Amino acid sequence: QKEVEQNSGPLSVPEGAIASLNCTYSDRGSQSFFWYRQYSGKSPELIMFIYSNGDKEDGRFTAQLNKASQYVSLLIRDSQPSDSATYLCAVNMEYGNKLVFGAGTILRVKS
Amino acid sequence: EAGVAQSPRYKIIEKRQSVAFWCNPISGHATLYWYQQILGQGPKLLIQFQNNGVVDDSQLPKDRFSAERLKGVDSTLKIQPAKLEDSAVYLCASSEQVRSEAFFGQGTRLTVV
Repeated sequence: QKEVEQNSGPLSVPEGAIASLNCTYSDRGSQSFFWYRQYSGKSPELIMFIYSNGDKEDGRFTAQLNKASQYVSLLIRDSQPSDSATYLCAVNMEYGNKLVFGAGTILRVKS
Repeated sequence: EAGVAQSPRYKIIEKRQSVAFWCNPISGHATLYWYQQILGQGPKLLIQFQNNGVVDDSQLPKDRFSAERLKGVDSTLKIQPAKLEDSAVYLCASSEQVRSEAFFGQGTRLTVV
């Protein structure tokens, strides 16, 4: 079992729709969860972090965490073509205290 | 506030040669990470430092890769000798502490021919 798993996609949504990106993790004791956006040829850019169960909203982005299900998601409302990128989920593993990334989900927003 | 600095941005070497990458983290950040990102894949953690101690290096190919973080500030990652499969982007990131947000440098694109 991979430590952090994401659907590779691509996920295609029309402009203005809600994009939903999902991530599961293996270490039940993990405490810190992050979403990064990576444009082609660029380095990852932090867009959201969440530490507690529930929802956290920042502008058009909402991160959702369910520790019991070992599941974290990112919702992007009113998706724009500029949101087209690879979205990486990262988890700070309780075991080893290391920051592990998933393989990323490619998002395509069509105008 | 200055971000994470990495150099060089690009490097092309022949197989069996050696190469070194440098990283200067954000000031005051205790945790420093080196990742390898192969095209189409997520970043793979090579080594994680807390100050000048190693937190995790379980995926560092120690027969050819080495890394150090002297004085708990900047860091170098070395590959000797390089193989074709080492062609990738090498990303450095830093965070205030182990569980806080990590910020990335621009990366070094290595091509081994």
